[in-house]
Amino acid sequence: KQEVTQIPAALSVPEGENLVLNCSFTDSAIYNLQWFRQDPGKGLTSLLLIQSSQREQTSGRLNASLDKSSGRSTLYIAASQPGDSATYLCAVEGRGNDYKLSFGAGTTVTVRA
Amino acid sequence: DAGVTQSPTHLIKTRGQQVTLRCSPKSGHDTVSWYQQALGQGPQFIFQYYEEEERQRGNFPDRFSGHQFPNYSSELNVNALLLGDSALYLCASSSMVREQYFGPGTRLTVT
Repeated sequence: KQEVTQIPAALSVPEGENLVLNCSFTDSAIYNLQWFRQDPGKGLTSLLLIQSSQREQTSGRLNASLDKSSGRSTLYIAASQPGDSATYLCAVEGRGNDYKLSFGAGTTVTVRA
Repeated sequence: DAGVTQSPTHLIKTRGQQVTLRCSPKSGHDTVSWYQQALGQGPQFIFQYYEEEERQRGNFPDRFSGHQFPNYSSELNVNALLLGDSALYLCASSSMVREQYFGPGTRLTVT
C-alpha cells in the first residue's frame, strides 16, 4: 500500500524567503507525481505534474524535483509572497491499472508580510 | 473552457439519510474520480468511473456508490449517513493523459 508523507506539517516564513516542501512515498512504482495547492475549504489547484520518467518540472517561481528511486519529491517556491499562504499537497498515481491518487496530509504554509 | 464543476456547494443532512452529489468533468475528459477529505487530512480515493463503469474502488463501504452518464458526468451516492461521513467531497476528471483536475468540492455536514 502506498504511503505518502509530507514534512513539515506547517511552516511559517517571512515574505521573500524561499520555501522548501518535502514529500516522500514508499512505493517507487508510480506513474506520476502531482503537487497541488488548497486554500481553506476549497478544492485543489494543480501546480505541477512530474511524469515518472522526468526529474523535475518548473512553472514560474515553482520548481519540483522527483527522485523515484529514493521515493522523494521536493517543491521549491522562490521569493515567497503572502498570497502563497495555503496548504500544499503531494500526490502519487499508481502504474498500470492503479489510477488512484494517494495523498499526503499536506504542508500548511504561512508567509508573513 | 469550464473546469470541473460540482453541486451542491454545501449540504446538511441528518444521520440515516441518503445524499447525492454531482460532478461535471472538464471539457474533453472522460474519466471521473471521487475523493473524500476529512478536516486536516489529505483526500482519500473513493472510486473512479470510466466508460460508465466503476474501474477502481478504494477502501470505502458499499454505502458509497456512484454512476457515470453518457455525457461523462457523474454522481456519488451515500446511503445511511453517519456522522463520520461529514467531509469535503472532491471530484476530479482526467483523460488518457492521466493528469487529474479537481472541482471546488461539496461540503457535507451530517448532524
